[in-house]
Amino acid sequence: DAGVTQSPTHLIKTRGQHVTLRCSPISGHKSVSWYQQVLGQGPQFIFQYYEKEERGRGNFPDRFSARQFPNYSSELNVNALLLGDSALYLCASSLGGSSGVLEQYFGPGTRLTVT
Amino acid sequence: GQNIDQPTEMTATEGAIVQINCTYQTSGFNGLFWYQQHAGEAPTFLSYNVLDGLEEKGRFSSFLSRSKGYSYLLLKELQMKDSASYLCAVRAPGGATNKLIFGTGTLLAVQP
Repeated sequence: DAGVTQSPTHLIKTRGQHVTLRCSPISGHKSVSWYQQVLGQGPQFIFQYYEKEERGRGNFPDRFSARQFPNYSSELNVNALLLGDSALYLCASSLGGSSGVLEQYFGPGTRLTVT
Repeated sequence: GQNIDQPTEMTATEGAIVQINCTYQTSGFNGLFWYQQHAGEAPTFLSYNVLDGLEEKGRFSSFLSRSKGYSYLLLKELQMKDSASYLCAVRAPGGATNKLIFGTGTLLAVQP
């Protein structure tokens, strides 16, 4: 079975641009979470979606938004990019519901560089 | 506030035992996790503690004391492939079931 997949693997953008990152969860998983990991730091929670509804949001500005599609894949959108948005963006999937975090699997991430 | 502290770096010798400590101060607690992350790769789940005590899984063990806000990850019979960053994370209660608050990670270097 395929694990969590993310695209693209690497991306270079200019300040002020917009970016869309994509995540496909493990088959059968209904929950997707997004994390931002700046170099040398631990991941920071951005969003969780379960059954296409937002279930949680971290301390990120409104420039960050996300959605989940009927097939449970997800997109993370970031507008008006800043240099500080340069990071590894991780997607994690889980069955969701009461099984929650114990079965959370991370994807390989998208490395975003803002110049 | 939320604060999770881990040492930044540690060095150990192949075949030895190493203990990585983690202290936390969070508004609520619903479990503590340890993840391993090799450079350029995704974090992988190592262990989960929600009750006080020691959880053992092969060469890896994790301990939790909720009253002290303290956990450690113990790695035995170190191998070169154990060189990685080890992330301590606390699950926040309520709201998003998958919200984990991570520490900055401990970069472990295993030397021959």
